[in-house]
Amino acid sequence: DAKTTQPPSMDCAEGRAANLPCNHSTISGNEYVYWYRQIHSQGPQYIIHGLKNNETNEMASLIITEDRKSSTLILPHATLRDTAVYYCIVRVVRNQFYFGTGTSLTVIP
Amino acid sequence: GAVVSQHPSWVICKSGTSVKIECRSLDFQATTMFWYRQFPKQSLMLMATSNEGSKATYEQGVEKDKFLINHASLTLSTLTVTSAHPEDSSFYICSASGTGPLGVGTGELFFGEGSRLTVL
Repeated sequence: DAKTTQPPSMDCAEGRAANLPCNHSTISGNEYVYWYRQIHSQGPQYIIHGLKNNETNEMASLIITEDRKSSTLILPHATLRDTAVYYCIVRVVRNQFYFGTGTSLTVIP
Repeated sequence: GAVVSQHPSWVICKSGTSVKIECRSLDFQATTMFWYRQFPKQSLMLMATSNEGSKATYEQGVEKDKFLINHASLTLSTLTVTSAHPEDSSFYICSASGTGPLGVGTGELFFGEGSRLTVL
């Protein structure tokens, strides 16, 4: 099973890009990379997912390295409402998501 | 996006009583629902997977007789914490995947808002 490694915490200035890294060196060829975030005392919110190509949506961009062993979630213009715990998930067995410890992102005014 | 709703959002009960938490998919058919538990300052831990019309599959270490899961329809799964004790106090979160305009081909899971259980 693929496990993920994320820094426990990060700070980002409001209005700047937030780049959240994730290592998943044991990912297998058919496993997707998913990103969710959890604001305090709420359920996780889907952000983006990808297999091997970079992806972009209205919330964020996902950059996956060519060897797929790591990825970066980019929030292009962080706001205070982006303060949350961000989870990178790559183990999906029969749609079961196993959460790692995540990165606590604090956006600073 | 798809909506998953949980009820109640918070509940306080006395030790020894049972508490039922509902999880509903509001705009798609959830063939599979998942139940998670989250203790303060910790990550989400998968408790069990429930498929509509069949018995739930529990993760290792989760007592199936204590955490009863019923998935009787394509839009509703329930988690009953039986004979609750203070150590069962936690944030319980459900998620759902399935078929339908939003479910087919998207790959992502949709999560409920969570239910905070406090056992006195």
